[in-house]
Amino acid sequence: KQEVTQIPAALSVPEGENLVLNCSFTDSAIYNLQWFRQDPGKGLTSLLLIQSSQREQTSGRLNASLDKSSGRSTLYIAASQPGDSATYLCAGRGGTSYGKLTFGQGTILTVHP
Amino acid sequence: EAQVTQNPRYLITVTGKKLTVTCSQNMNHEYMSWYRQDPGLGLRQIYYSMNVEVTDKGDVPEGYKVSRKEKRNFPLILESPSPNQTSLYFCASSLSRTGGTEAFFGQGTRLTVV
Repeated sequence: KQEVTQIPAALSVPEGENLVLNCSFTDSAIYNLQWFRQDPGKGLTSLLLIQSSQREQTSGRLNASLDKSSGRSTLYIAASQPGDSATYLCAGRGGTSYGKLTFGQGTILTVHP
Repeated sequence: EAQVTQNPRYLITVTGKKLTVTCSQNMNHEYMSWYRQDPGLGLRQIYYSMNVEVTDKGDVPEGYKVSRKEKRNFPLILESPSPNQTSLYFCASSLSRTGGTEAFFGQGTRLTVV
């Protein structure tokens, strides 16, 4: 059974810092890994999708990496801004789970001015 | 615009009163699913559908029903809601269940059962 863990659970940084969010998963037989952003009480916004054959994906100030052999993914946010404050979730889509996304508990990010 | 639309966004109901949360996607996706999100438990899959008339249970299906009569729609039915079904519900869709298929989520339905 796939389990996904995100560290840290919460992170508070000053504006302008570069930061890394971590995601680890137990079953390396994933099709892909997706990072989402969730604002309080809102829906999930997809940030980046990494295929199992890829090592990384970039979108603007965001860069996500995937290392299947170690069961880890990281989300790198460059030059953080107060508008980046949100909960960040990673989810793996696994081969044995009929397409189910298994989510981590999320990292609550606060970027203060 | 590609999107997944859920209705209603907010709902307060009483125990035992049947309700339906609708979900519609305009991307011709085959795979659709429902998740619930609860503090400390994260997002858990309730039901999923791999195509029209093909549905199956996820991790927490008790107390829920679904149907998939058309490709675009995947309603979630609570026949007799109970307070432990108070939660934030999300519908999601993707092109298929495998490979490089990005999941798109609706805006969520906050359900309160009193």
